[in-house]
Amino acid sequence: ETGVTQTPRHLVMGMTNKKSLKCEQHLGHNAMYWYKQSAKKPLELMFVYSLEERVENNSVPSRFSPECPNSSHLFLHLHTLQPEDSALYLCASSQNRGQETQYFGPGTRLLVL
Amino acid sequence: GENVEQHPSTLSVQEGDSAVIKCTYSDSASNYFPWYKQELGKGPQLIIDIRSNVGEKKDQRIAVTLNKTAKHFSLHITETQPEDSAVYFCAAFGANAGKSTFGDGTTLTVKP
Repeated sequence: ETGVTQTPRHLVMGMTNKKSLKCEQHLGHNAMYWYKQSAKKPLELMFVYSLEERVENNSVPSRFSPECPNSSHLFLHLHTLQPEDSALYLCASSQNRGQETQYFGPGTRLLVL
Repeated sequence: GENVEQHPSTLSVQEGDSAVIKCTYSDSASNYFPWYKQELGKGPQLIIDIRSNVGEKKDQRIAVTLNKTAKHFSLHITETQPEDSAVYFCAAFGANAGKSTFGDGTTLTVKP
């Protein structure tokens, strides 16, 4: 248990659905991240939030929409996804943004049909 | 941008043997290098990290070495045990987390 929880753990959705992934950290950290982990590809950083402000958006399609209402919660809103978006979506947090240890949640396994 | 290459992609060792995983990076501005272990069904867990002002760091059976000149760093696991079996990832971080780049991962299998 790293102190970072993610729900749901598994999600199957159609291309026309709208769903949201939730991440919560209980570590008092100021920075939170979304990563995408696909089979046979390295971890891809998607979004970075620092003190609830989005500071990085690594060319992620607009069908992925992040939201950080407070420093403990992070959401990833999904709509009109494509089958190639099927992957493990990992949330992480660190004390501050930068070269600091990141603590990962268990991930949400997403399948887009 | 940063490019991180990790080798080997798979590694099988006998219990008790040592395992070494190597990563090279391209951006000389990278200065933080963590190693993560990911077990099936779980997120990556930090096992050791090193910063560019240090050449080597050790924590019990795990050690990491960094060669800034050659831009490579390595994970060393001694006296391997079956529970060390997992996927290991290296990463290189620049001045901020937006410049973090991960290696492709190494699947380590320790045979009892």
